[in-house]
Formats: sequence, C-alpha cells, structure tokens
Amino acid sequence: AQKVTQAQTEISVVEKEDVTLDCVYETRDTTYYLFWYKQPPSGELVFLIRRNSFDEQNEISGRYSWNFQKSTSSFNFTITASQVVDSAVYFCALRRDDYKLSFGAGTTVTVRA
Amino acid sequence: EAGVVQSPRYKIIEKKQPVAFWCNPISGHNTLYWYRQNLGQGPELLIRYENEEAVDDSQLPKDRFSAERLKGVDSTLKIQPAELGDSAVYLCASSSYSTGAGGELFFGEGSRLTVL
Repeated sequence: AQKVTQAQTEISVVEKEDVTLDCVYETRDTTYYLFWYKQPPSGELVFLIRRNSFDEQNEISGRYSWNFQKSTSSFNFTITASQVVDSAVYFCALRRDDYKLSFGAGTTVTVRA
Repeated sequence: EAGVVQSPRYKIIEKKQPVAFWCNPISGHNTLYWYRQNLGQGPELLIRYENEEAVDDSQLPKDRFSAERLKGVDSTLKIQPAELGDSAVYLCASSSYSTGAGGELFFGEGSRLTVL
C-alpha cells in the first residue's frame, strides 16, 4: 500500500515570509514518482514538479524549492519570499509504476498582505 | 493549447436524481482520469482510461456510477441515482501515455456537485 501524509492542514504567513510544506510518503516500490500540485481557488490542479525515486537532487525554480530525502521518505516544498498569489491548497502525490496516484490531504497556505 | 475542459462547473440536484459530467481532454492525450475530491481532502481516482479502454475502474462504485469514453476522446461520468454522500468535486485529468507513469497529469477545473 502507498500513503502520502501532509501533516500541516493550514499555514498562514505574512507576505515575504518563507513557508515550508512537509510531505512524508510510504511505499514498498523501488520505482515511484513524487509530485507537487497547487490548487488555487479556481479549483484546477496545477502541476509544479515531478521527481522520480532515483533522483534525489534538490531543485529550485524561482521562489520554489524542493528537498527530496529517500532516507526519511520526505519530499518537502519551500516557497521563499511568499506572495499573496501563492495562497492555495498544495498537494503532494505519489505515483507507482503501475500509474496508481495517491494524493495527500493537502495543505492550505494563506499569505496575508 | 486548450487545457482540459469540463462541464458543468456546478450542479445542484436532489437525491435520487441522475447527473452527468463531461470532459474533453487535451488534444492527443491518450490517458484520461476521473477523480473525486471531497471537501478538505485530496483527489481520489475513480477510473482511468487508456484510449477507449477502462484499464483501472477498481475504485468506481459500479452500482450507481458509470463512465464511458467513446472514440477515445471525450468522456462522460454518470451517477444514477445520486446520494447525499456524492456531493464532491469531480475532476477530470489527462496525460500523454508516451510519458509513462512519470508524466504529469493535467487537470480541468472540476465539476462541483451538491446533492440535496
């Protein structure tokens, strides 16, 4: 069985603060893929990043960065210098090689001006 | 390029009534998914199509839910009869089979169902 846990239900920060979203996953597969999606109020899930289980390199894209650590089964996401437009629900997801995709419960991020 | 299109965006019905949702995936995407998202939770897969074949419908409550993807393009998800617990957002997503399991899914804006 596979499971994704996002322990933080809600995070509220003031604009320009950094915010880190935690994601812990469970799987017995050796090949798997990890994703982060953003869901703004409009409802559409927007793809942010994908990582496969063999690539533990951290990645930075603008104000976004991701830290993947297989040793702790974590795939954390940091927004640096947050902006009001970052307010959304963020989902971590785990996908097996058989295409089964499991989402976490999501973390609601509110950035106050 | 047009994204995944879903309709209707919102639907309010009384219990025991039927309801249908429509999805048009991104052009060229072989794989189509229907997800259900309950309030405060992540999406859960209902059914996955590869072209017109349903390759994973293990999570679809077949007593009241049905889906079809004629000609391997558009898809329809139907609920008949609807129950109070079916109130949720129904999300359609598509992906290109060629990218394999590591390819990202592109989601539509969803159809929000309220059953009274």
